[in-house]
Amino acid sequence: GQNIDQPTEMTATEGAIVQINCTYQTSGFNGLFWYQQHAGEAPTFLSYNVLDGLEEKGRFSSFLSRSKGYSYLLLKELQMKDSASYLCACMDSNYQLIWGAGTKLIIKP
Amino acid sequence: TAGITQAPTSQILAAGRSMTLRCTQDMRHNAMYWYRQDLGLGLRLIHYSNTAGTTGKGEVPDGYSVSRANTDDFPLTLASAVPSQTSVYFCASSDRTHTGELFFGEGSRLTVL
Repeated sequence: GQNIDQPTEMTATEGAIVQINCTYQTSGFNGLFWYQQHAGEAPTFLSYNVLDGLEEKGRFSSFLSRSKGYSYLLLKELQMKDSASYLCACMDSNYQLIWGAGTKLIIKP
Repeated sequence: TAGITQAPTSQILAAGRSMTLRCTQDMRHNAMYWYRQDLGLGLRLIHYSNTAGTTGKGEVPDGYSVSRANTDDFPLTLASAVPSQTSVYFCASSDRTHTGELFFGEGSRLTVL
């Protein structure tokens, strides 16, 4: 079956760096997506990887290794507003998005 | 810019009753989607529409129906609600098909008793 795994919860300190991992097993691959979702709000698109390597976008970067079925989201210079859930999603060969359950990131002062 | 508007924001519904969740977008996106989000699970696709006049079934379509009479509106109907349909429902859209870059509404929290 198709599966996305990511940690349920992580804690980090304001100003630090945190890496949120995601592993996937899907039928085919058409891209890996990261979303941010604050509590009680809508998910918002953060990043997209389809080729191996690192995509940097300000304080956020996303990495992909297709051979390992692995991605991570790297958040630098953490701010309190980064406290949210981070959703990993993989698009399979049928262009269907398979979603992970999300990683709740708690930022402490 | 409103983006995607969902209504109602929250609703409590007796089992067996029908309910329509409304979704309207002003971005002229062709594709629209309905997801449900449950604690501990990833978003699950209920139904989708690639363009006005067409709809398709997602991962968990049973007990739900949709219509797409025009580009902007994509209502989701529960004909006879059951407690397992208690969830947060998100409507989303994209400017093209075969993309994972979706724009989500703020969600509708539905409780079926």
